[in-house]
Amino acid sequence: DAMVIQNPRYQVTQFGKPVTLSCSQTLNHNVMYWYQQKSSQAPKLLFHYYDKDFNNEADTPDNFQSRRPNTSFCFLDIRSPGLGDAAMYLCATSDTTSGRLGETQYFGPGTRLLVL
Amino acid sequence: SQQGEEDPQALSIQEGENATMNCSYKTSINNLQWYRQNSGRGLVHLILIRSNEREKHSGRLRVTLDTSKKSSSLLITASRAADTASYFCATVAGSYQLTFGKGTKLSVIP
Repeated sequence: DAMVIQNPRYQVTQFGKPVTLSCSQTLNHNVMYWYQQKSSQAPKLLFHYYDKDFNNEADTPDNFQSRRPNTSFCFLDIRSPGLGDAAMYLCATSDTTSGRLGETQYFGPGTRLLVL
Repeated sequence: SQQGEEDPQALSIQEGENATMNCSYKTSINNLQWYRQNSGRGLVHLILIRSNEREKHSGRLRVTLDTSKKSSSLLITASRAADTASYFCATVAGSYQLTFGKGTKLSVIP
């Protein structure tokens, strides 16, 4: 089945130690998103890639970076995690090719990050 | 910034009852969507309603949209224990990006 995969499902890191979260998709969608979701809150968009073009949200801290080496993979790098970065990180995709509007997003299961 | 506000924040009902959740938003939209999130999991798209539509059905789901009041409601009929989840409305104002509301946590008691 076509899907969005996130690894690992749980990630423990130390305060200040760089960490990378991974997302892959078999949907061949051209848009990929990273959201941060804290407990009992709405998902908050950090940034997204439209094809190879990176689009950062204005309020996303510089501590968060992303890479998209190809259509299928996208990475979230947190350079120096703080205690406030502990959250669920959700990857999503949508498709705007061939006239599609890309309105519906398909989410992975998320990676829960714990910062010690 | 968040666009949608769900109401209520939490809802507890007995299995078989109907569940109604409401969402209000602030700016003009192209469409409004509802997503479900099971505890500790990703979001799953449920239904999309466009700004020129007033009502839409999908199985046990019924969504209404009132653009004059900038509000939407999601009705789940004959609820089941498996419907226990958080439900988020999300709006699309421009092209394709979603803005999520805070969500309603639904508990369906067997």
